[in-house]
Amino acid sequence: DTAVSQTPKYLVTQMGNDKSIKCEQNLGHDTMYWYKQDSKKFLKIMFSYNNKELIINETVPNRFSPKSPDKAHLNLHINSLELGDSAVYFCASSQVPGVVVQTQYFGPGTRLLVL
Amino acid sequence: AQSVTQLGSHVSVSEGALVLLRCNYSSSVPPYLFWYVQYPNQGLQLLLKYTSAATLVKGINGFEAEFKKSETSFHLTKPSAHMSDAAEYFCAVSPTGANSKLTFGKGITLSVRP
Repeated sequence: DTAVSQTPKYLVTQMGNDKSIKCEQNLGHDTMYWYKQDSKKFLKIMFSYNNKELIINETVPNRFSPKSPDKAHLNLHINSLELGDSAVYFCASSQVPGVVVQTQYFGPGTRLLVL
Repeated sequence: AQSVTQLGSHVSVSEGALVLLRCNYSSSVPPYLFWYVQYPNQGLQLLLKYTSAATLVKGINGFEAEFKKSETSFHLTKPSAHMSDAAEYFCAVSPTGANSKLTFGKGITLSVRP
């Protein structure tokens, strides 16, 4: 019954590897997001998709590529992992943003450690 | 560009004492404002949000916040702290309109002493 779920919860990998993080929401929302939380707990948006269409793309290295197979899923693929990619990655979802502000619901996070 | 400032990184209160977590925003027009809480090793949970309907906003777990345009502030308060309130608290701002990108402050760690 988890509203926003992410897999895996923990990910430990070597520099240079490619990895993916999956996110699924069962809230019927149209918009999904990826946020990165660094070691100082600072949260910053990376991407946002609305009904499978990319609508927010912050200054993120090209090694990060989001993919939305359908509006309930937003995956994050990271190529050539670097030490600085170590962080907690949060997925979130909301109804379509518009005149009425929508609450974003967050997943539990994926803790990525690059060695 | 919009931003929020959370002064200090750590607040410690005694159980039963008033909790006051400060947040000031920067925006050319009144934005939407949010407080989120993050318990250890968990995701973020919305405490409350300001959407211009009322300046005093009540949230979950006994928290409330007051929007003060003259002070560009949205401070979070709770009259009596409970041990279970110990967590990380984030203030966030979002523009009105179609773009709902959240911009977070750096967060404040709340500790509650017995």
